[in-house]
Amino acid sequence: AQSVSQHNHHVILSEAASLELGCNYSYGGTVNLFWYVQYPGQHLQLLLKYFSGDPLVKGIKGFEAEFIKSKFSFNLRKPSVQWSDTAEYFCAVIGGGTYKYIFGTGTRLKVLA
Amino acid sequence: DTGVSQDPRHKITKRGQNVTFRCDPISEHNRLYWYRQTLGQGPEFLTYFQNEAQLEKSRLLSDRFSAERPKGSFSTLEIQRTEQGDSAMYLCASSPGTGAEAFFGQGTRLTVV
Repeated sequence: AQSVSQHNHHVILSEAASLELGCNYSYGGTVNLFWYVQYPGQHLQLLLKYFSGDPLVKGIKGFEAEFIKSKFSFNLRKPSVQWSDTAEYFCAVIGGGTYKYIFGTGTRLKVLA
Repeated sequence: DTGVSQDPRHKITKRGQNVTFRCDPISEHNRLYWYRQTLGQGPEFLTYFQNEAQLEKSRLLSDRFSAERPKGSFSTLEIQRTEQGDSAMYLCASSPGTGAEAFFGQGTRLTVV
């Protein structure tokens, strides 16, 4: 079955620390990949997406992600986090013959001021 | 606001009652999705429409759940004979086409007492 794994469930960082959140998927064929963010009390919002081309994609608020096809991974990174990055982050995949988005379980990030 | 709109935002119901939620997608988005999210989990796929046709329904969805999208515009999700296990956030999303990013609404939080 198609699945998405996020390895870190809870992450606590101090401001200015670097962030890397892992995401692995199990799919065959062509996939589109997404990272969504959910700030407290708000709806899911798109951070960035990968469809094709350059495997290093840049999103909003200084986030970036790298697609490594051989590892079935799409890890999210940010060089220096801010207190306002406190949120829950979800990796999602669509493709491989299905029209539904499959989400990981999410990573709850807390950034200490 | 031209985003995805869901109504109501909160619903408290007694076990055994029926509830209906409404979703208004972004206009001209032909794809509409319903997801369910519980604490500590990522969004879980429920069903998917392309225009007015319901193309996929999760096998996890019992017969008590039904969704419609008449005329390919707004959608409703009905839960009959609610159970405590139905308590969750119900999310609606729309998308303009194959593989594009999904845009999410604020969700309807259902509490079954």
